[in-house]
Amino acid sequence: AQKVTQAQTEISVVEKEDVTLDCVYETRDTTYYLFWYKQPPSGELVFLIRRNSFDEQNEISGRYSWNFQKSTSSFNFTITASQVVDSAVYFCALSDPFYGQNFVFGPGTRLSVLP
Amino acid sequence: DSGVTQTPKHLITATGQRVTLRCSPRSGDLSVYWYQQSLDQGLQFLIHYYNGEERAKGNILERFSAQQFPDLHSELNLSSLELGDSALYFCASSPPGQLNTEAFFGQGTRLTVV
Repeated sequence: AQKVTQAQTEISVVEKEDVTLDCVYETRDTTYYLFWYKQPPSGELVFLIRRNSFDEQNEISGRYSWNFQKSTSSFNFTITASQVVDSAVYFCALSDPFYGQNFVFGPGTRLSVLP
Repeated sequence: DSGVTQTPKHLITATGQRVTLRCSPRSGDLSVYWYQQSLDQGLQFLIHYYNGEERAKGNILERFSAQQFPDLHSELNLSSLELGDSALYFCASSPPGQLNTEAFFGQGTRLTVV
């Protein structure tokens, strides 16, 4: 069975600090996809990134970066120079390679960025 | 704006009642997914429809059912409601012919059962 663990329930940082959100996953599939979604206080789920299991290159998008390590089954997300607008709940998710977007979500990490 | 529309945004109803949640996917998307977000269970996949046909079921209760209509909008029917059904229900859609792309989520319907 697939499982996603986000051990950090809540994190608080002061604006401009860097913060890393951890994600550890379990799957028996050799092909799989990992995602990060953001849920701001308004409630919608916003897509951030998708990564397939064959692509272990780290990715950077502005202040966001992701570190995928297959050897440790981790897909961590770092926000550099955090801003108040980054305050949200962040979800890591794993998708079934055959059933598409039937995501298994982690429990989420609530990030509070204080001014 | 994701392009996925869910109505209503909020719904308050009594135990034992039945409600219908509606979802319009993004233009051109054939897949519709329903998810439930509750405090105790987190975000859970309920059911997936593709072009009118059920494709996969997750942790969906027997009291719940869904369908996707020829115009591709979908409805999630919740019956014999219990207090524990109070949750945020999301609909998501994805483009045809592309597995494992991101799913685009609607704003959700917040259901409160009293």
